[in-house]
Amino acid sequence: ELKVEQNPLFLSMQEGKNYTIYCNYSTTSDRLYWYRQDPGKSLESLFVLLSNGAVKQEGRLMASLDTKARLSTLHITAAVHDLSATYFCAVDPSTGNQFYFGTGTSLTVIP
Amino acid sequence: DAGITQSPRHKVTETGTPVTLRCHQTENHRYMYWYRQDPGHGLRLIHYSYGVKDTDKGEVSDGYSVSRSKTEDFLLTLESATSSQTSVYFCAISGLNGDGEAFFGQGTRLTVV
Repeated sequence: ELKVEQNPLFLSMQEGKNYTIYCNYSTTSDRLYWYRQDPGKSLESLFVLLSNGAVKQEGRLMASLDTKARLSTLHITAAVHDLSATYFCAVDPSTGNQFYFGTGTSLTVIP
Repeated sequence: DAGITQSPRHKVTETGTPVTLRCHQTENHRYMYWYRQDPGHGLRLIHYSYGVKDTDKGEVSDGYSVSRSKTEDFLLTLESATSSQTSVYFCAISGLNGDGEAFFGQGTRLTVV
């Protein structure tokens, strides 16, 4: 059974601080995705990571992928309140074009 | 919204009744998916489709069936709704970009009473 685990599940941080969300998965995969979800809303694609060592950055968020360790990280730099949301990672196993999601990390940035 | 429309957006139904949710896309993506989202579980794959009339089960398919008679439409049916199927259902599409990125609909909130 494929497992995708995120930690922490809940994160409260002050504005201006840095933090990292971790996504571990149990199957072989070269594709990993990060999504953001605001309360009551749909999921918004943040990053697409397609190979070992891939790193993508957008604003205060940076995502990386280590396929050998089966680990992806989402790093938040100098958090701001607008980043408050739930963040999901999703893995596409080698069988292709299916997406298995982690349970999500609920981030609250405190002014 | 990547051209995805889910209907209805909200529905309340009684236990034992059939329910069909519709997902319509205007983007011509090959793959379509149905997920359910429940607190503490993230999103779980119910069924997916890789082409017209080509579908397969996901991790939580019991009690659900799907059909895809046209590229643009993917239907999810609960044959006999139960309270455990109260959830938020999301449709997603992928395949056009080549990188597997999926795009999500706005969701359908289903309550089974």
